[in-house]
Amino acid sequence: DAKTTQPPSMDCAEGRAANLPCNHSTISGNEYVYWYRQIHSQGPQYIIHGLKNNETNEMASLIITEDRKSSTLILPHATLRDTAVYYCIAPYDMRFGAGTRLTVKP
Amino acid sequence: DTAVSQTPKYLVTQMGNDKSIKCEQNLGHDTMYWYKQDSKKFLKIMFSYNNKELIINETVPNRFSPKSPDKAHLNLHINSLELGDSAVYFCASSDGTVLYQETQYFGPGTRLLVL
Repeated sequence: DAKTTQPPSMDCAEGRAANLPCNHSTISGNEYVYWYRQIHSQGPQYIIHGLKNNETNEMASLIITEDRKSSTLILPHATLRDTAVYYCIAPYDMRFGAGTRLTVKP
Repeated sequence: DTAVSQTPKYLVTQMGNDKSIKCEQNLGHDTMYWYKQDSKKFLKIMFSYNNKELIINETVPNRFSPKSPDKAHLNLHINSLELGDSAVYFCASSDGTVLYQETQYFGPGTRLLVL
């Protein structure tokens, strides 16, 4: 079973920040955490990745705890088009887990 | 320009048939992958090729045979199709070879339905 865990679903109001948590308690010190999303049945799309520092790009921000056991993906102003399944990936999983189904509501 | 493309987009076929899915990437990446996403939506890696050489081969029936004519192409041939092969197949590519430690770029998927 995957050691990376995410809540199965979350809702967010349009225009508000969406905060998606991920636990990766057994990640090694030199392993990155990657985030992808899959909109409907399209191919997964890369969002962001990080090692231990917080990261930001044009899509999202990634906050990684100091002990690296968990991280939070932040979509600062969620839109309806952000409705998707969000996957947090760590190397030891060797697969994409079930992810979090984010529904952005008007 | 599409970075990772797959053909066909949809494939409906009978049990027992042989079919191929093609994938091409124009990103100049060295590594390509095939994933299967089943009805439960889990995305599982099947194969990975680096510069035309097989580097990852998960527990996949030998009816599935990947072929990489060059590093920009990775095709998937499936013999004697079974009902359980019905799924969405995604191709992906990355610059490096460390699985899940390199950014992967995915194609749009091929929806295979075996009747």
